[in-house]
Amino acid sequence: GENVEQHPSTLSVQEGDSAVIKCTYSDSASNYFPWYKQELGKGPQLIIDIRSNVGEKKDQRIAVTLNKTAKHFSLHITETQPEDSAVYFCAASIIAELSFGAGTTVTVRA
Amino acid sequence: NAGVTQTPKFQVLKTGQSMTLQCAQDMNHNSMYWYRQDPGMGLRLIYYSASEGTTDKGEVPNGYNVSRLNKREFSLRLESAAPSQTSVYFCASTPWGQSRSMNTEAFFGQGTRLTVV
Repeated sequence: GENVEQHPSTLSVQEGDSAVIKCTYSDSASNYFPWYKQELGKGPQLIIDIRSNVGEKKDQRIAVTLNKTAKHFSLHITETQPEDSAVYFCAASIIAELSFGAGTTVTVRA
Repeated sequence: NAGVTQTPKFQVLKTGQSMTLQCAQDMNHNSMYWYRQDPGMGLRLIYYSASEGTTDKGEVPNGYNVSRLNKREFSLRLESAAPSQTSVYFCASTPWGQSRSMNTEAFFGQGTRLTVV
């Protein structure tokens, strides 16, 4: 099955700075790469996704990049705000199987 | 518009007891999943069902069984609970079928916090 590695495991940033989370995947057949945000006591929720035929996607302060050759993808959050504090998961999918990274706990310091 | 509903939300079991975690979705999704979440381990896939009538093992299937009862419901059973199964369990669903072009957002339930003593 797919193996997704995520770094760093924790990230502390000053409010207004940028945050970057990186993931690698093992199976070149993976074609869909979503990012999820999990707040305390809740289930994960999709914040952005990218497909294998696209190199970059942006949605306001969030962007994701994908390098299929190197099999890695990254999440970029600009102008971080306190409400960005949460656990973020990357994932990769092959058809119906969806595999997650170990998660990054992001803390935005005021 | 409930989405994905999991029951129960909390459960304490004694070692050796059995129980079934229930999951239902009302979005007419094809695929359903069970994950467990442990500190520092992320979300690990236990089993998934790509369509009604099919189930497949994920990364950590040992000690669990699943049933895709119909298109809406996907249950997870612990036959003889062990302390190592203490975790938060999440059910998820997606509209994905056999076509790769259908991959879109997965919706998660609120989780079941299970403690085995």
